[in-house]
Amino acid sequence: AQSVTQPDIHITVSEGASLELRCNYSYGATPYLFWYVQSPGQGLQLLLKYFSGDTLVQGIKGFEAEFKRSQSSFNLRKPSVHWSDAAEYFCSAGGTSYGKLTFGQGTILTVHP
Amino acid sequence: ETGVTQTPRHLVMGMTNKKSLKCEQHLGHNAMYWYKQSAKKPLELMFVYNFKEQTENNSVPSRFSPECPNSSHLFLHLHTLQPEDSALYLCASSQEGSGSPHEQYFGPGTRLTVT
Repeated sequence: AQSVTQPDIHITVSEGASLELRCNYSYGATPYLFWYVQSPGQGLQLLLKYFSGDTLVQGIKGFEAEFKRSQSSFNLRKPSVHWSDAAEYFCSAGGTSYGKLTFGQGTILTVHP
Repeated sequence: ETGVTQTPRHLVMGMTNKKSLKCEQHLGHNAMYWYKQSAKKPLELMFVYNFKEQTENNSVPSRFSPECPNSSHLFLHLHTLQPEDSALYLCASSQEGSGSPHEQYFGPGTRLTVT
């Protein structure tokens, strides 16, 4: 079965520190991969996406993610976290069948001043 | 208006009420989705509409009834809900087709409370 796993439910970092959020997927073939961010009471905003090609993708708000086929991972990174990055982050994956995005459980990011 | 809008943003209803959630996308997309987001649970896909035709119904109870009159509008009609239906209901849209990336754009959601 297709699945997306985010091993960390909650991560706390200090402002200015680097960040890495983990995501692992299980799919029959290399899926399309996405990271979304959700602020409290809001919808999901697309941060970045991977379809093919360069395995390091850049997104909005200074985020990047690296696709590693051998590890079935698509980890999200940011070199220096800002207090406004505090939110919940979702990794998702989809295949060639439209509408079939699978989401991870989400990782809540807390940023300490 | 830009992106995906949802109304109302908050809704409180009794178990015997009938209400509707509305979603509108201004992105020219051809597919729309309803998701349910409950605390401590992954995002649950409820319905998928592609070119106004329902293509997915993930075993959703019949007390939830979707309607897609055109590719820009999506409704979720609610009746005789249960307290466990309280959740954030998210609408999304995407452009589907050959070579399409399938990224979905989400609205802000409707926070539903069933009393």
